[in-house]
Amino acid sequence: DGGITQSPKYLFRKEGQNVTLSCEQNLNHDAMYWYRQDPGQGLRLIYYSQIVNDFQKGDIAEGYSVSREKKESFPLTVTSAQKNPTAFYLCASKAAGRTFNSPLHFGNGTRLTVT
Amino acid sequence: GNSVTQMEGPVTLSEEAFLTINCTYTATGYPSLFWYVQYPGEGLQLLLKATKADDKGSNKGFEATYRKETTSFHLEKGSVQVSDSAVYFCALRGQVQGAQKLVFGQGTRLTINP
Repeated sequence: DGGITQSPKYLFRKEGQNVTLSCEQNLNHDAMYWYRQDPGQGLRLIYYSQIVNDFQKGDIAEGYSVSREKKESFPLTVTSAQKNPTAFYLCASKAAGRTFNSPLHFGNGTRLTVT
Repeated sequence: GNSVTQMEGPVTLSEEAFLTINCTYTATGYPSLFWYVQYPGEGLQLLLKATKADDKGSNKGFEATYRKETTSFHLEKGSVQVSDSAVYFCALRGQVQGAQKLVFGQGTRLTINP
């Protein structure tokens, strides 16, 4: 079955360490996205990528970095510069070039806890 | 800029009750509107969508009508089930500085008691 896989489901890190969250999709989608979800705040866009080797900052990119070396993969690194990294992180993809209204497909998320 | 406002949760109902979750939006131009649902421990799934004024999206007994005159997209269901317990997000997709961007509301947690 096609879908988006995020791993791990739970991740624990010490403050000051960088950590990379994995996102892999086999939907052949061109566009991929990273969102952060905090209680009562909905989803906020961190980074997105429309094609391989290209990505753009979203609304809250500070303290994060991404790469898009392969169509299937869009890893997110939470750096030590991110002041409040504990959150639920969601990866999504979309078939770019299709209709304006095609939906986002989401992974099941990674819950990151930094202490 | 574009924004979405949902009614505050949590919402708690008994099984078979009527459900309304309010959603209003602010946007330039003609956005598309969506409802996503998030079950515990999972990502979001598209529930329904509407792409132009007066369109009605429907799925799994849920409905929402795109009302341009009131800038609203309220989610309704006539008879809820325990399995409908989840967090519901209203969202819009519109043009922001030349790019298509999806903007989410803050989410409304729904709990259905048997």
